[in-house]
Amino acid sequence: DVKVTQSSRYLVKRTGEKVFLECVQDMDHENMFWYRQDPGLGLRLIYFSYDVKMKEKGDIPEGYSVSREKKERFSLILESASTNQTSMYLCASSLSMSSYNSPLHFGNGTRLTVT
Amino acid sequence: QQQVKQSPQSLIVQKGGIPIINCAYENTAFDYFPWYQQFPGKGPALLIAIRPDVSEKKEGRFTISFNKSAKQFSLHIMDSQPGDSATYFCAASAFSGYQKVTFGIGTKLQVIP
Repeated sequence: DVKVTQSSRYLVKRTGEKVFLECVQDMDHENMFWYRQDPGLGLRLIYFSYDVKMKEKGDIPEGYSVSREKKERFSLILESASTNQTSMYLCASSLSMSSYNSPLHFGNGTRLTVT
Repeated sequence: QQQVKQSPQSLIVQKGGIPIINCAYENTAFDYFPWYQQFPGKGPALLIAIRPDVSEKKEGRFTISFNKSAKQFSLHIMDSQPGDSATYFCAASAFSGYQKVTFGIGTKLQVIP
């Protein structure tokens, strides 16, 4: 079974802090993704990566950056946290480029509160 | 702008009922339509998926109906059980060199005994 592990379940940070959210997958998946989940807005894609050191912007990249130095690890960085970044953050991975045979496998999420 | 519109946002049915969740899309390039199920405290997990060359797909008690001309698809849960209480997300993707999945806003389903 694929396991996607997010390093923290809950995180509380102050406005202006630099925040790192870590994600590790154990199935040698090519693609990794960061989504945020907000009530009434569903899941929105922040960034994704289809290879080591490669990254692509999703639908809401502003205020975020990412890092993928190793295939199994994908980090989301909030350079200067703001209260509107309070949310549930979900990491996901998928095996390959093709949608049909490689569903998204999600971690259990990190609930970030910025005060 | 919501590329995948999902309704209703919440739904309460009695055990044995058939909840129906509807989704609509505009982008005709979408060619894969998965549904994800999310239990409290967990990440979403793939439930069932359909491609637009078929009009219906069943897996157990879960059925997707797909209407390509109307650009609509829906999830039906037959003989719903309290254990089906979860949030359901419809989604769509277009293969364009890499996978990018767009999600609906989610439907919180509660099945009461």
